[in-house]
Amino acid sequence: GAVVSQHPSWVICKSGTSVKIECRSLDFQATTMFWYRQFPKQSLMLMATSNEGSKATYEQGVEKDKFLINHASLTLSTLTVTSAHPEDSSFYICSGRNPYGYTFGSGTRLTVV
Amino acid sequence: QQQVKQSPQSLIVQKGGISIINCAYENTAFDYFPWYQQFPGKGPALLIAIRPDVSEKKEGRFTISFNKSAKQFSLHIMDSQPGDSATYFCAASMNTGNQFYFGTGTSLTVIP
Repeated sequence: GAVVSQHPSWVICKSGTSVKIECRSLDFQATTMFWYRQFPKQSLMLMATSNEGSKATYEQGVEKDKFLINHASLTLSTLTVTSAHPEDSSFYICSGRNPYGYTFGSGTRLTVV
Repeated sequence: QQQVKQSPQSLIVQKGGISIINCAYENTAFDYFPWYQQFPGKGPALLIAIRPDVSEKKEGRFTISFNKSAKQFSLHIMDSQPGDSATYFCAASMNTGNQFYFGTGTSLTVIP
């Protein structure tokens, strides 16, 4: 139980375009979803925390207009990287709070060319 | 400031040996300490977790040792296997649903 499905698993996009990443909690209601970014061989860095039905809380240094987070339902949270640039290339991971703790998605490898 | 410090950065262990990864924290408000295992290109998966009211927790070959006074906790992998080769992250959080603070990760390689 407590599965978070994250899609896509990888995406390549051109500079200047936008990319949407979806995280769905399949068998629980994720009232809180965390979005992380991970560079190669580095730890997970929290980008933002989203609560269903309210605005996301962004960590210091994270541009909220660039990384748009929507948590419109208890089972779906999305991260949209707007006007992507090569420096946005990274591994993005969501994590949903469930009754047993926290479950991570499988991650999305974003490459901006 | 790194809330949770993890060492070593990398570890090579022979098959059948014991792998030990250490973490230390400063914030005494932390009351949940999980360990995550991450394979390349995948999200972290919860391995085992402990709360500060116990000093040790064992699940199969994985054991967490917790020293509240020293503000340290460690992961022991007994009878390490090549399939255990992955990156391991310790983390800490306050049980109010707040964020996790992750360690910097340990790349474990178990050689046959």
